[in-house]
Amino acid sequence: EVQLVESGGGLVKPGGSLRLSCAASGFTFSSYSMNWVRQAPGKGLEWVSSISSSSSYIYYADSVKGRFTISRDNAKNSLYLQMNSLRAEDTAVYYCARDRVDYGDYFDYWGQGTLVTVSS
Amino acid sequence: DIQMTQSPSSLSASVGDRVTITCRASQSISSYLNWYQQKPGKAPKLLIYAASSLQSGVPSRFSGSGSGTDFTLTISSLQPEDFATYYCQQSYSTAMYTFGQGTKLEIK
Repeated sequence: EVQLVESGGGLVKPGGSLRLSCAASGFTFSSYSMNWVRQAPGKGLEWVSSISSSSSYIYYADSVKGRFTISRDNAKNSLYLQMNSLRAEDTAVYYCARDRVDYGDYFDYWGQGTLVTVSS
Repeated sequence: DIQMTQSPSSLSASVGDRVTITCRASQSISSYLNWYQQKPGKAPKLLIYAASSLQSGVPSRFSGSGSGTDFTLTISSLQPEDFATYYCQQSYSTAMYTFGQGTKLEIK
């Protein structure tokens, strides 16, 4: 059974940092691109970042570029999101999602999410 | 960036109704369009990928159509468990995925 479990969320002050983790199991993690998607309270879904299976290709939304860093450790079946210079508008539930390719990409499995709150 | 616009933003319907949600892309995205369902407090769930392919395990009352810039998600006969928020997502530009703003489907 595919499982994605996020952790690392919490309350942080503006300007602070946080590192999110996503532990994957039930599939060959090293064969899949992975993504972070966030959802601010009461708002819609926003794609944040993606990383290819071997970390060769990394992309970011403009809203986080230069502040967030996505990475992965295929030996540990883990995905990470290092978030620096956090702002109030980064407050959201952060989901990791597996990227499946079959005539286009789609996110076929999602974690349960971890809440990040940026507030003084 | 490719913008995705859903309509309507909200919709009231009854059990048994046929419902259609529309998603429009700001440029042609071929058939690189996915649909997700999200219930309160839960992660999104993939329903349809590549505009019209039904994800495994998703009931056949859900269907998708369209190509280019205009797409639709249809629920042929609403069930109580279908009341949720629905999002479209383009995967034409994999360097910058974008979602629609969502359509909240409520019970009439």
